[in-house]
Amino acid sequence: QLQLQESGPGLVKPSETLSLTCTVSGGSISSSSYYWGWIRQPPGKGLEWIGSIYYSGSTYYNPSLKSRVTISVDTSKNQFSLKLSSVTAADTAVYYCARQGGSWGQGTMVTVSS
Amino acid sequence: QTVVTQEPSFSVSPGGTVTLTCGLSSGSVSTSYYPSWYQQTPGQAPRTLIYSTNTRSSGVPDRFSGSILGNKAALTITGAQADDESDYYCVLYMGSGGVFGGGTKLTVL
Repeated sequence: QLQLQESGPGLVKPSETLSLTCTVSGGSISSSSYYWGWIRQPPGKGLEWIGSIYYSGSTYYNPSLKSRVTISVDTSKNQFSLKLSSVTAADTAVYYCARQGGSWGQGTMVTVSS
Repeated sequence: QTVVTQEPSFSVSPGGTVTLTCGLSSGSVSTSYYPSWYQQTPGQAPRTLIYSTNTRSSGVPDRFSGSILGNKAALTITGAQADDESDYYCVLYMGSGGVFGGGTKLTVL
């Protein structure tokens, strides 16, 4: 069964870069025709789509975040990653990775604070 | 920017049927938007129910079904159970990527 697990710092300082990795187990990122994505949820609020990547490296980003977001894939490690630059308190959220149409990670809380 | 609309709240009786919808602030939803539906209970990660309009994710009971109704995507739950009480989110995929709706809080009572 496909499982996804987010990892990365739980606390990031304002103006710095948030970096998270999603490790996929139970299946290969490159063996199927799916997009792999990042979604976030600020405390008490709804879901926000951040972006997604295909195993070949093609990406889509939320236009409101596009200038600050980079999503990359490392098929050799069966991982994909999120970088969000110049963070502010508004970026405080639970960050989820997910396979489009399939499994989600459990989520990781990231707080932006000095 | 296009807004994806969902009913803020809905209620259904145990054993009943409910249809939640996912629309656009401007225009109609079609299968070309690959609508997907997710269920989330408090403190838990979302769970994929439906993707590409009407494909059930692995392990999802057939009580959950997706469709296009009129100009909106729809999630229908038949034989509602107590543990269906959750938040339900839809996402539509447009040229620039996905846009989530604000979610529907479903109460079973």
